[in-house]
Formats: sequence, structure tokens, C-alpha cells
Amino acid sequence: DTGVSQDPRHKITKRGQNVTFRCDPISEHNRLYWYRQTLGQGPEFLTYFQNEAQLEKSRLLSDRFSAERPKGSFSTLEIQRTEQGDSAMYLCASSSISNQPQHFGDGTRLSIL
Amino acid sequence: DQQVKQNSPSLSVQEGRISILNCDYTNSMFDYFLWYKKYPAEGPTFLISISSIKDKNEDGRFTVFLNKSAKHLSLHIVPSQPGDSAVYFCAANSNTGNQFYFGTGTSLTVIP
Repeated sequence: DTGVSQDPRHKITKRGQNVTFRCDPISEHNRLYWYRQTLGQGPEFLTYFQNEAQLEKSRLLSDRFSAERPKGSFSTLEIQRTEQGDSAMYLCASSSISNQPQHFGDGTRLSIL
Repeated sequence: DQQVKQNSPSLSVQEGRISILNCDYTNSMFDYFLWYKKYPAEGPTFLISISSIKDKNEDGRFTVFLNKSAKHLSLHIVPSQPGDSAVYFCAANSNTGNQFYFGTGTSLTVIP
């Protein structure tokens, strides 16, 4: 069990640029979640995959955001035309079945200049 | 709307004493509750969970209590240790949904 891995750990970019983050879940976990966390808040749900199927998306996930999990293994989260308000920690988590604890990665911190 | 609330942003406790962290929820459909601990620059780490069919779950120094009628859960840490100093998040989920809802966290400081 190598844990959930996220890359990069930090990303600094200019407003208007596109960014992509990667998440490698625990290998036997078929459920994968993306969250966003801002200062003083708890993680906020963005989207959820079961295997390669994206089954749920939060209303927080505007059309500038897209997530994929092409082969049911790793996942990517892309933000197009970044805005100042996108600055946050983006967390990925995985679990094996429902009503089981999610295991989180250490996140990608995005800073928009 | 914040469906899971942690009304105490911070808590300080002497080493060896009990730490009690509280969490309230509004959605009566929630049936699975978790506590996570988070250190700076790390992701949340799972600590302990409880299903709505129970009112108590214990794991070593950590005990979670669930009061369904009051829609309230609490985490007790006994005895508290300096290494317990971290931000603690409670989270909730319903069997019919995929989302986990998190509170805003309580920063615990255990004073040696």
C-alpha cells in the first residue's frame, strides 16, 4: 500500500493559464474523489469516479473544470482559464467500497498570480 | 449550506487531559461518520469512524460518540498527547449518496 499520490505538490501559474493535476489512487481502490480546500474550510467535494465512470459532479465544478479517469486507475483534473478564485489545495482521495474511509493524498496547492 | 458544522475553530488542552471535539450535522440521511486528522502540508488522515447503527466506537485513545436524536457527534481523546496537535475534521456520508461532507475543522493544541 503506497498510499494516494498527487503530482505536482505545488503549482504556480498566471491567471488565464490551463493547469492539470494528477492523482494515483491506492491500486485496489475503485472509487476516486476530488476535493478542493481553501483556508479555514474543510474539503469540499468536486467529483467522484467509480472505476472509469464519473458518477457525480458538484455544482462547484464549473465548466472550466474537467476530470478524467481513463482506465479506472489514475485520474487527472484540469482547470482551464484559471481565475484568482481557483487558488486552493486540490485533494484526491480513494476508497474501495462505499461507507469506507477515504484515503487522501497530500494535495496539490495551486496559486494563481 | 453547511451540512456538517464544527463550531469550535480551536481547542487547547493540557497533556494527559481529555480532548473533546464536537460536530453537528443537519441531514438526517447521514448514516456514516468519520473523523480525520490533518497536519500542515499533508492530506487528511483517517482516524476513526462510526455507523449510525452504533452510538459509540472506540479505538485506543480515541472514542467517537454519536447522538442521532441530537444530530451530534464527538471525538474524545484520552489521554491527550502533544503529537495529537493537529486540525481535526468530521465528515459524514449517506448510504444513498457518494459525497462526503466535511466540517470546517477544529485546531487542537495539546500543551506539554
